[in-house]
Parts: sequence; structure tokens; C-alpha cells
Amino acid sequence: LAKTTQPISMDSYEGQEVNITCSHNNIATNDYITWYQQFPSQGPRFIIQGYKTKVTNEVASLFIPADRKSSTLSLPRVSLSDTAVYYCLVGDILSDSWGKLQFGAGTQVVVTP
Amino acid sequence: DTAVSQTPKYLVTQMGNDKSIKCEQNLGHDTMYWYKQDSKKFLKIMFSYNNKELIINETVPNRFSPKSPDKAHLNLHINSLELGDSAVYFCASSQVGGPDRSSYNEQFFGPGTRLTVL
Repeated sequence: LAKTTQPISMDSYEGQEVNITCSHNNIATNDYITWYQQFPSQGPRFIIQGYKTKVTNEVASLFIPADRKSSTLSLPRVSLSDTAVYYCLVGDILSDSWGKLQFGAGTQVVVTP
Repeated sequence: DTAVSQTPKYLVTQMGNDKSIKCEQNLGHDTMYWYKQDSKKFLKIMFSYNNKELIINETVPNRFSPKSPDKAHLNLHINSLELGDSAVYFCASSQVGGPDRSSYNEQFFGPGTRLTVL
């Protein structure tokens, strides 16, 4: 299972773009990259998933370079409600081992006015 | 219309007691999980069941015993509670091997159960 490394915390102001980079140097061919968001006192929730290049949805964008050894979650124009912990997971989503993925400690993003 | 529900939301108990946390999902998923989140927000998987069969059992003391009466329920029973068991426990479910909404194997989490052992 690919090991991931992401910053412990990031601070931002409202209206700015927040980019969180996750390193996964030993990513395997069948691995996907998935990001979850966890608000205080809630369970994590899925926000975006990708395999290569760029993926965008209504919440975020995910940029994955050609070598796939890292990925960047981009949150455009953050608001106070984007204050949360963001987890990067890498693994074969179609394999039984997917469930063994550890969420780790994630990146605490704090947005201030 | 809650997708994954857990009861109770809060659980305060004395060391040495036995307690259970219940989890139910109405998403029709085949796979359910239990996670433990400590005070440093580290979220660690404990167990995973697929169609009532245990498929993942991480290094967890045998005081923790999951029970899956059917694929919509995965309960967690904890014997002889210790101070170090204090944490937030999350139940989750997913459908392995196929698209689920916009992703493959997206996990849906319950609201969590905050366990405090005194």
C-alpha cells in the first residue's frame, strides 16, 4: 500500500485558494488517489478522486502530474466552512486491500476571516 | 433518510465495563468498517466486513469483537474497557468493485460515537 505524506496544517484567509499537496512516491499502477474531508464532530466524507491529470467537481480540483508521485487538492475561494481536516488516500480501489488504507492524521486547514 | 447511523453518539463508562456500539447502513452496501480516531485525529481502520464475513482485522486487542447479524449492520462490542480505548469510533460502508456516485468504493461514514472511559 502506498505511503502518503501531507502537511499537518495549513492556514488561509477567506476567498483565497488553498492547495494541499500529498506525496505518494511508491504509488502503484492500479492505485487511485482519493481525498476525504472531515468537519469537526463529523465523519469523513468523500470529496474527489482521480487517477491522472486533472479532475474537477463542484467542491474541488485534483491535479495529478504525469509521474503520479504526488497530487494536489485545490480548494478555490475558501470560506470559513471549509475549515476541516483533509485526508489523502492512495490505493487500488477495486482491491480488497482498499479497506486497509490508513487515513493518517490528514491536513488541518483553518480558514479565517 | 440517514445513510449510516450509529448509536449511541456519546458513551461514558468506567474502566472494566463492557459496552456495545451499533451501526446500521441503508445504502445496500456490501462492505462495512469500523475506524478509531484518537485525540490527534489519526483515523485508523479496525475491522472490515464484506457480506457479513470478516475480511480485515487489523491489530486490535481481542477485547474488541465486531458482530455482523446481516450486511446492513455491523456492531462493535468492547470488553473490559481501558482508559486507552477513549476515542471517537466511526462506522462506514462502501460498495466494493463498482462505481458509487462519482467514485469507486467511496466510503460513507456515520456521525461517530465518542467513547470516554473513566
